[in-house]
Amino acid sequence: GNSVTQMEGPVTLSEEAFLTINCTYTATGYPSLFWYVQYPGEGLQLLLKATKADDKGSNKGFEATYRKETTSFHLEKGSVQVSDSAVYFCALLRNFGNEKLTFGTGTRLTIIP
Amino acid sequence: GAGVSQTPSNKVTEKGKYVELRCDPISGHTALYWYRQSLGQGPEFLIYFQGTGAADDSGLPNDRFFAVRPEGSVSTLKIQRTERGDSAVYLCASSLTSGRPPNNEQFFGPGTRLTVL
Repeated sequence: GNSVTQMEGPVTLSEEAFLTINCTYTATGYPSLFWYVQYPGEGLQLLLKATKADDKGSNKGFEATYRKETTSFHLEKGSVQVSDSAVYFCALLRNFGNEKLTFGTGTRLTIIP
Repeated sequence: GAGVSQTPSNKVTEKGKYVELRCDPISGHTALYWYRQSLGQGPEFLIYFQGTGAADDSGLPNDRFFAVRPEGSVSTLKIQRTERGDSAVYLCASSLTSGRPPNNEQFFGPGTRLTVL
């Protein structure tokens, strides 16, 4: 079946540090890949996505590249801010009739000023 | 435009009671999804509707859980004889349609936090 393995947290970084949150997946076919973010007290928001191999999703300074050869979709940001403190979820969607999103367990990120 | 809305935002009930959770999808979205998020976990799929029919209900944990979408818009998740283990945040999402990106991108509501005492 489909699965997403995500870097365990919590992760604590200083402001302006470089961020990587690892995500690997198992799925048949060609899934779409997503990073969702959940800020404290808020709902789940789509951060970025990639729908095919070698696509790079980007938003708010975050990037992730869909690597089919390594089945990975690692999230990166060059310089984090305190406002990036949140829980980040990697997810996949099989497409074409198998519509359930499969999520990783989430990584809690805390940025210290 | 308006996003996905869910009511109530919080629901506290006693073990054994019946609860209903409501989801209003984005106008025009034909696909609707329910997920459950337990503390410290990622959301887990429960059921997916395409129009009025449940296209996939494989995630419903047991027959105490049931969901309807009678007119292809609003959906209600119903839980009978609630148990303490049902305590979680119940998330609803909708998408324009299903099948092909980007139209199957799912937009989430704020969730209903259910607490069973």
